[in-house]
Amino acid sequence: QVQLQESGPGLVRPSGTLSLTCTVSGGSISSTNWWTWVRQPPGKGLEWIGEIFPSGITNYTPSLKSRATISLDKSRNQFSLKLSSVTAADTAVYYCVRDKGGLDYWGQGTLVTVSS
Amino acid sequence: EIVLTQSPGTLSLSPGERATLSCRASQSVTSDYLAWFQQKPGQAPRLLIYGASNRATGIPDRFSGTGSGTDFTLTITRLEPEDFAVYYCQQYGSSPNTFGQGTKLEIK
Repeated sequence: QVQLQESGPGLVRPSGTLSLTCTVSGGSISSTNWWTWVRQPPGKGLEWIGEIFPSGITNYTPSLKSRATISLDKSRNQFSLKLSSVTAADTAVYYCVRDKGGLDYWGQGTLVTVSS
Repeated sequence: EIVLTQSPGTLSLSPGERATLSCRASQSVTSDYLAWFQQKPGQAPRLLIYGASNRATGIPDRFSGTGSGTDFTLTITRLEPEDFAVYYCQQYGSSPNTFGQGTKLEIK
């Protein structure tokens, strides 16, 4: 059974960088899946942030492309999200997700609040 | 980017009734790469349907997906109490992947 778990600071200062890591267990991050980040502001809908393939290919949503970086650490079976120059609008629950022709395995999500 | 519009915004029905949720795309979804998710309060979304009409593992057969091109439908026959939740559609045929704004299915 594949499991994903997000980790990282729950509070980030405005203009700072949000950094989250997703640890994958029960499966290899080197397998032929896309590894994805999705976020959800409190009380709002889902937003697809971006994805990475084991080869290192990445795709991002245009509105975040200039600030987001997704990377992979095969030795630790982890992938990560960095989002720079954050504002209050980046406050959300962040999910890491496996995409195997559908977003089939989700982490539990982690709330990141941007506030001074 | 493909914009997905879900309707209605809120659907009020009783257990045992049939629910029909719509997802319309601003342009054709490549290879019908359209998925549906269910989300309950405080939980991560759960994949229900992928490829427009394929049920994910463990999803009851009262959930079905139909449609192609720009118009897609999620149907839930014989609503159970646990089905009342928010439902999202998502297209993953064109980058960036995008979600609809959601339909809230509430108990009447």
